[in-house]
Amino acid sequence: KQEVTQIPAALSVPEGENLVLNCSFTDSAIYNLQWFRQDPGKGLTSLLLIQSSQREQTSGRLNASLDKSSGRSTLYIAASQPGDSATYLCAVGWYSSASKIIFGSGTRLSIRP
Amino acid sequence: NAGVTQTPKFQVLKTGQSMTLQCAQDMNHNSMYWYRQDPGMGLRLIYYSASEGTTDKGEVPNGYNVSRLNKREFSLRLESAAPSQTSVYFCASRNSNTGELFFGEGSRLTVL
Repeated sequence: KQEVTQIPAALSVPEGENLVLNCSFTDSAIYNLQWFRQDPGKGLTSLLLIQSSQREQTSGRLNASLDKSSGRSTLYIAASQPGDSATYLCAVGWYSSASKIIFGSGTRLSIRP
Repeated sequence: NAGVTQTPKFQVLKTGQSMTLQCAQDMNHNSMYWYRQDPGMGLRLIYYSASEGTTDKGEVPNGYNVSRLNKREFSLRLESAAPSQTSVYFCASRNSNTGELFFGEGSRLTVL
């Protein structure tokens, strides 16, 4: 069964710290992986998309890496700010079911001023 | 650009009532999706459609039906709503070339 796991469910860090969010998936034959941000009561904002052939993608203070062999992706946030407080979700698609996209349960991030 | 449009944005139903959530995308995407999100949880896949004329069950399909009316539109129907279906529903479409998902703003459904 193809599954996506995000641990921890919640994380609180002081402003200015660099931090890493984790996304683990079963079945390493993924098609791609996408990271989203969701503010309370709002919709999803796409952050980064990594194709299976890529090792990482960067956008501003965000860097997402992909290690298919270990079934893991990490989202690195540099110099965290209170405005980064949100829930971060990862979504995975696999070659065996290329149109089926499964989400992790998310990590709720709180940045303390 | 409208992107992915969902209607209605809010709906209150009584147990046993039926309703349809509508979703349309104007990006010429082949694949479309319906997810539900419960408080404190991620998104769970209800149904998806890889292309016009096809639909497949996701993780939590029980109690729902879908119709891929044409390439643009993908509707989700609750035949007999139950309180357990109280949730926020998100529709999405996927770029066939990049695999990127695009989401609607969500529909908040309450079943009393």
